[in-house]
Amino acid sequence: GQQLNQSPQSMFIQEGEDVSMNCTSSSIFNTWLWYKQDPGEGPVLLIALYKAGELTSNGRLTAQFGITRKDSFLNISASIPSDVGIYFCAGWGGNEKLTFGTGTRLTIIP
Amino acid sequence: ETGVTQTPRHLVMGMTNKKSLKCEQHLGHNAMYWYKQSAKKPLELMFVYNFKEQTENNSVPSRFSPECPNSSHLFLHLHTLQPEDSALYLCASSHPLDRGLASHNEQFFGPGTRLTVL
Repeated sequence: GQQLNQSPQSMFIQEGEDVSMNCTSSSIFNTWLWYKQDPGEGPVLLIALYKAGELTSNGRLTAQFGITRKDSFLNISASIPSDVGIYFCAGWGGNEKLTFGTGTRLTIIP
Repeated sequence: ETGVTQTPRHLVMGMTNKKSLKCEQHLGHNAMYWYKQSAKKPLELMFVYNFKEQTENNSVPSRFSPECPNSSHLFLHLHTLQPEDSALYLCASSHPLDRGLASHNEQFFGPGTRLTVL
């Protein structure tokens, strides 16, 4: 089956720093989704990408659909304390179920 | 608030108990999903319903029994669970891609039920 490699697994940064994370797939996806999950809550959809090469922003968040359709990137600029949480990528290949990455845990050091 | 609610938020049950999880979506979607989220594992899809019909059962043990009485409500009936079934159970909904084929685009999740099996 399809596999999504998400990296890094965890990040420890200082407030105000920029953050980058990515997901890579062994096969092509038609859609990439990025979610954020706070402790004790369900994942919340941040950004959806539908076309190869697409670059989409949501406030301080920017995500890109890789040209090869096998990867996607999420960047967070000028991180703030409420950015803490687990970020998941998810890919959709058309007929198959959504495939989720294992998550990137973001921690902000005071 | 994502438009998907789940009750209860927390549940502790013994292995011989019978309990049910409830999910309700207010987004006008016609596809609903149950996921299991265990520590340090990717989200595991359990069941998919499209227009009230089950379209996917991802090899889930029979001690988990889903029910979808209408497009807005989804239940997960639990009986004789095992301690390893302890996890966060998430419900999600989405627009269907086509009748008979659930969309897997843009799923919106509820807050989850934290289940502990003693």
